[in-house]
Amino acid sequence: QSVLTQPPSASGTPGQRVTISCSGSSSNIGSNYVYWYQQLPGTAPKLLIYRNNQRPSGVPDRFSGSKSGTSASLAISGLRSEDEADYYCAAWDDSLSGLYVFGTGTKVTVL
Amino acid sequence: QVQLVESGGGVVQPGGSLRLSCAASGFTFSSYGMHWVRQAPGKGLEWVAFIRDDGSNKYYADSVKGRFTISRDNSKNTLYLQMNSLRAEDTAVYHCANGGPDYWGQGTLVTVSS
Repeated sequence: QSVLTQPPSASGTPGQRVTISCSGSSSNIGSNYVYWYQQLPGTAPKLLIYRNNQRPSGVPDRFSGSKSGTSASLAISGLRSEDEADYYCAAWDDSLSGLYVFGTGTKVTVL
Repeated sequence: QVQLVESGGGVVQPGGSLRLSCAASGFTFSSYGMHWVRQAPGKGLEWVAFIRDDGSNKYYADSVKGRFTISRDNSKNTLYLQMNSLRAEDTAVYHCANGGPDYWGQGTLVTVSS
C-alpha cells in the first residue's frame, strides 16, 4: 500500500518545465533518501534519480530531484514527447509496516 | 550489462502456490540486496519483499507476510519468491530488482483466478 502521495497527473507542452511532488512522512522521506523511477508504457521501471538528487549515467540533466523535510519533487525541464510516462517516487521506510514504499504514481502527458 | 530475468509466472487457482525465479547477471549478485516489486494491471508499483545480500535478513509487505517467502542462492545468482495461499488480489506482474532498487527485470505475470 502506497504511503507516498503524488498527484495523479501532470502535463505540459514541449519545452516546458513540469514538476511532480511526492509527500511522505518522518519515517520515510524525512529520514531516508528519495528515489525516482520512470516507467514508459509496457516497460519495466527505470531509475531516474537516486539519493534525492543524483542522476545515474545516461539520464539527461533535464531531470532533477530535490528534497525538503518530508517532501520531495522531480522536475523535468525542456519537456520532450519521449518523457510521456508514469513517474514514481520511492523511499526506504523505518516504520514497522514495511521496509520500502512507493508513491502513488504520476502520469505525465506531453500536450 | 546488468540483466535480471524473471520466470515462473502463470495462472493459478485461489489458494494455490507458485515459485518465481530471477536469474541475475552482469553484476556481483552476492553483494546486493534484492527486491520483489509487483504491479497489478493498470495500477501502481507495490513493494513486496527484500532480502539482504547474504540472505541474513528478509522483509515483507504486510499484504504478503506469512504467505510469501523470499530467498536467494548466491552460488546460482538466483533470487526466488515462494508464493503460497494465493489470492485474486495477488494478480500482478512481479519484478525483481537489485540494490536501491537500481535495475529491474521485465517481470513475470501471475494471474490468480478460478
